[in-house]
Order: sequence, then C-alpha cells, then structure tokens
Amino acid sequence: EVQLLESGGRFVRPGGSLRLSCAGSGFTFSSYAMTWVRQTPGQGLEWISSISGSNTNTYYADSVKGRFTISRDNSKNTLYLQMRSLGAGDTAIYYCAKDRGGSFGGEFHYWGQGTLVTVSS
Amino acid sequence: DIHMTQSPSTLSASVGDKVTITCRASQSINRWLAWYQQKPGKAPKLLIYQASNLETGVPSKFSGSGSGTEFTLTISRLQPDDSATYYCQQYHIHSNFGQGTRLEIK
Repeated sequence: EVQLLESGGRFVRPGGSLRLSCAGSGFTFSSYAMTWVRQTPGQGLEWISSISGSNTNTYYADSVKGRFTISRDNSKNTLYLQMRSLGAGDTAIYYCAKDRGGSFGGEFHYWGQGTLVTVSS
Repeated sequence: DIHMTQSPSTLSASVGDKVTITCRASQSINRWLAWYQQKPGKAPKLLIYQASNLETGVPSKFSGSGSGTEFTLTISRLQPDDSATYYCQQYHIHSNFGQGTRLEIK
C-alpha cells in the first residue's frame, strides 16, 4: 500500500526557514517523480514544486522560485522541501504527492495527509 | 503560465441528479488534464486523468471529456457522499489547478 507521510510543519516567524519532509513507502521511491502542492486555509490548491525520480530535474512555481528548494534522498525514500524567506502568503497545508511516472508531467495519484505551516509574527 | 478557470464556483443539486463542471484552459493543453475530489480536512483524491480516463477504483458515475481548452467533469446519480470540492489540474506545462467547484447535495 502506497503511503506518504509529511512532517516538519510548524509555526514560524516571517523571514524564517523551514524544511518539510515526506516519507514514502509501499512503492519503489526512486522510480517516481514527486511533487509538493500547498493549500492555503479555505482556499484552492497550488502546485509549487516537483522533482524527477532520478533526482535530475526540478521544477518550481514562480511564487516560490529562488526561495524554496526541492530535493530527495532515494536511499531514505524521503522527499524534502527547504523553504526560506517565508512570508504570510506561505501559510498553508503542504501536501506531498506521487506522480504516476518517473518524470514530472502527470497527474498525482497518491497524496499524503498534509502538514501545516503557519507564518506569523 | 496556463490559467485554469472552473465554472461554476458553487453548485447545489439533489440526490439522483446529474451535474457537469467545466474547466477552461487559457491555451491548449491537449488532453493533459486531471480531476480531483476533495472533502473537508482530507487530501485531494484523483478521479480522472488524461481528460477522460477513470482512475482505478473510482465509480463509473464520474466521467470526463474534452480536449484542447475546454473540459467537463460529469457526476451522475448524485449521492450525499459526492458533496465535496472538485478541482481540475493541467499538466501540459508544469502544473496548476482550477480554483475549485464546491458541490452541495440538497
């Protein structure tokens, strides 16, 4: 059974940094692209970043480019999102999701339960 | 960037009804479109991919159609459990989502 478990979300001050993790199990982690999607409270979904299964290619939404870094450790079956220069607009539930294929560019057929990041002074 | 617009934003229907949600892309995305269902406090669930392919385990009451810039999600034989917010997602160039359609079952 595919499982994705996010962690690392917490309260952080504006300008601060945070690293989120997503542990995957039940599938060959290195064979699949992985993605971070966030959802602001009561609002819609926003794709923010994806990484290929081989760790070769990364992709970012303009809203986070230059501030967020996606990475993965295939030996640990874990996806990461390093977030810097956080602002109130980054307050959201952050979901990790598994792509159907090894390269980014598909639908997200498994999702974690999400981890909440709150940015406030 | 490709912009996705869903309509309507909210929808109210009765048990047994059939409803249709529309998603329009600001440029052609071929058939690179998915539909998700999200219930409060839960992660989104994939329903349809590549515009019309039903995800494994999803009931056939859900169906998708379209190509290019206009797509539809149809839900038949509505039940109270179908009450949720539905999102479209394009993955032709990077990815982004529509703003969502909240479906209420009367």
